[in-house]
Amino acid sequence: GNSVTQMEGPVTLSEEAFLTINCTYTATGYPSLFWYVQYPGEGLQLLLKATKADDKGSNKGFEATYRKETTSFHLEKGSVQVSDSAVYFCALDSGTYKYIFGTGTRLKVLA
Amino acid sequence: SQTIHQWPATLVQPVGSPLSLECTVEGTSNPNLYWYRQAAGRGLQLLFYSVGIGQISSEVPQNLSASRPQDRQFILSSKKLLLSDSGFYLCAWRPDSQTMGSGSSYEQYFGPGTRLTVT
Repeated sequence: GNSVTQMEGPVTLSEEAFLTINCTYTATGYPSLFWYVQYPGEGLQLLLKATKADDKGSNKGFEATYRKETTSFHLEKGSVQVSDSAVYFCALDSGTYKYIFGTGTRLKVLA
Repeated sequence: SQTIHQWPATLVQPVGSPLSLECTVEGTSNPNLYWYRQAAGRGLQLLFYSVGIGQISSEVPQNLSASRPQDRQFILSSKKLLLSDSGFYLCAWRPDSQTMGSGSSYEQYFGPGTRLTVT
């Protein structure tokens, strides 16, 4: 079946450090891939998405590239800020009504 | 533009009491609707989804139920709450695939959530 695996958190970084949060997936066909962000006490917000192999999604300095050969969609940011502290979820849409979400990775950025 | 509302924002209920959480979507028609639960510090658990009025699919057997009495209204209910029902409940919607066309990709949009504490 379809699945999403995210790296375990929490991830703690100093401000301006480089961020990578790993996400790998298992799916049949050609799924669409998403990164969502959840700030404390709030719902999830779409951060970026990619719909086909080699697509790069980007938003607010975050980037992720859809790598079909490695079945990965790693989230990166060159210089994190304290305001980026949140929980990040990788998700997959395989074309059914249901999305598959990863377990989430908590990011804490220290000033 | 489309918006999604959930209420109440927070709720404290005793064990054994009933529950009703409401979710409404504005600015779209025939959306797919979803209820998720998020336990403290945990990921998302899909509880129910609906592709149309009166059509409910249950993902996890439990003492919760869902209903969709109107196109853009989705209700989560329980007759008797358990301590384990505590959590953060999120409603989400996405455009209907028949409306958007095959081959389209569209994300889910989440509401602000309801924090439920069962005491």
